[in-house]
Amino acid sequence: QSALTQPASVSGSPGQSITISCIGTSSDIGAYNYVSWYQQHPGKAPKLMIYEVSNRPSGVSNRFSGSKSGNTASLTISGLQAEDEADYYCSSCTSSNTLCVFGGGTKLTVL
Amino acid sequence: EVQLVESGGGLIKPGGSLRVSCAASGFTFSNAWMSWVRQAPGKGLEWVGLIKSKSYGATTDYAAPVKGRFTISRDDSKNTLDLQMNSLKTEDTAVYYCTTVHSGSNSYWGQGTLVTVSS
Repeated sequence: QSALTQPASVSGSPGQSITISCIGTSSDIGAYNYVSWYQQHPGKAPKLMIYEVSNRPSGVSNRFSGSKSGNTASLTISGLQAEDEADYYCSSCTSSNTLCVFGGGTKLTVL
Repeated sequence: EVQLVESGGGLIKPGGSLRVSCAASGFTFSNAWMSWVRQAPGKGLEWVGLIKSKSYGATTDYAAPVKGRFTISRDDSKNTLDLQMNSLKTEDTAVYYCTTVHSGSNSYWGQGTLVTVSS
């Protein structure tokens, strides 16, 4: 499986909304709804933000939302805050939860 | 509170072997599917492999770059997850994270352990 494709960087001002895309293929994102998103601050372990395309784990702000269309998944962050500045990774797994693949990561800068 | 604590990382020469472990607490480990994810210095995340719970046969699956060299195992009596790494290459240098698996996602992560493969 090849890595999923994400933009290297995105930026936005506090209060704005941004969207990070994650492009896969009909064999990964297009085939299964096991798309997840992770936030990673420098020097820290990643944190799950979205699972199964659009579900938020308990404790994750509702400013974070996920969606999917065809072979592309998206993460939208609304009402940007300074603490959202981090790296974000998408991931897609097969229906058996095996053979997962990550995107290359997107650095979000809050201006 | 879910806790995952990795250990066993270090400096190893190319071609060598190393075993890293993950101690789990705060959840029913025997029911959990577990995985390893790694991150090379300054790079992105890479899925390494997964082990299902014993009720699913404790079967494993691995990413292509490590298949045949790495082995994931679990000891449900000790709540530990292991990653045995053989024939190590310089490109295996990374922080190795232990994670829980749920609905195709890596739900909880440990703090990671650094493995450096260098002569």
